[in-house]
Amino acid sequence: TQLLEQSPQFLSIQEGENLTVYCNSSSVFSSLQWYRQEPGEGPVLLVTVVTGGEVKKLKRLTFQFGDARKDSSLHITAAQPGDTGLYLCAGAYTNAGKSTFGDGTTLTVKP
Amino acid sequence: GAGVSQSPRYKVAKRGQDVALRCDPISGHVSLFWYQQALGQGPEFLTYFQNEAQLDKSGLPSDRFFAERPEGSVSTLKIQRTQQEDSAVYLCASSLPNTGELFFGEGSRLTVL
Repeated sequence: TQLLEQSPQFLSIQEGENLTVYCNSSSVFSSLQWYRQEPGEGPVLLVTVVTGGEVKKLKRLTFQFGDARKDSSLHITAAQPGDTGLYLCAGAYTNAGKSTFGDGTTLTVKP
Repeated sequence: GAGVSQSPRYKVAKRGQDVALRCDPISGHVSLFWYQQALGQGPEFLTYFQNEAQLDKSGLPSDRFFAERPEGSVSTLKIQRTQQEDSAVYLCASSLPNTGELFFGEGSRLTVL
């Protein structure tokens, strides 16, 4: 059973376009993380969201945590080829140790 | 070092061989995690240590998998009598306690022939 569902699974766009990817769950998490992973590398942490309704911006990336703390979205403005990679969301529970990952969205930005 | 270090980066094993994968976490990070990542999928939890204590090993797929962290720093994931289905990337991550923020190594890619 996949606790975190990410959509779309694959996304291919042209440089300069905007995009949004989603992370949905039936569970409430204490916090949610977004990571980006490039081929042959480990995931790299982008952001943590904790509060329902929270919005965080990281340059051209905007992250939102749903009011009920069950879902999240990542919006990229004016995508660049360097944004290409696998975007993973992960949910964590306080004092429970492990994080649970979705299967990710593979983003390809063509020049 | 500044980041999480894993070795070997690549390991090819014949079916039935034992393998050992090493993880050197970020200095000061008391929490250490092992994940398994199959091609095209997200990381799947294997096991978790806080210092030298293995607090959760619910994700280990069989009793052929064993992990240790005897001095609360370096950890080793051992797979005995490897099978083809063990082929995957094994990721190690460390963190401060209860933050949910994981810092991953580059992974060890295991191929079992």
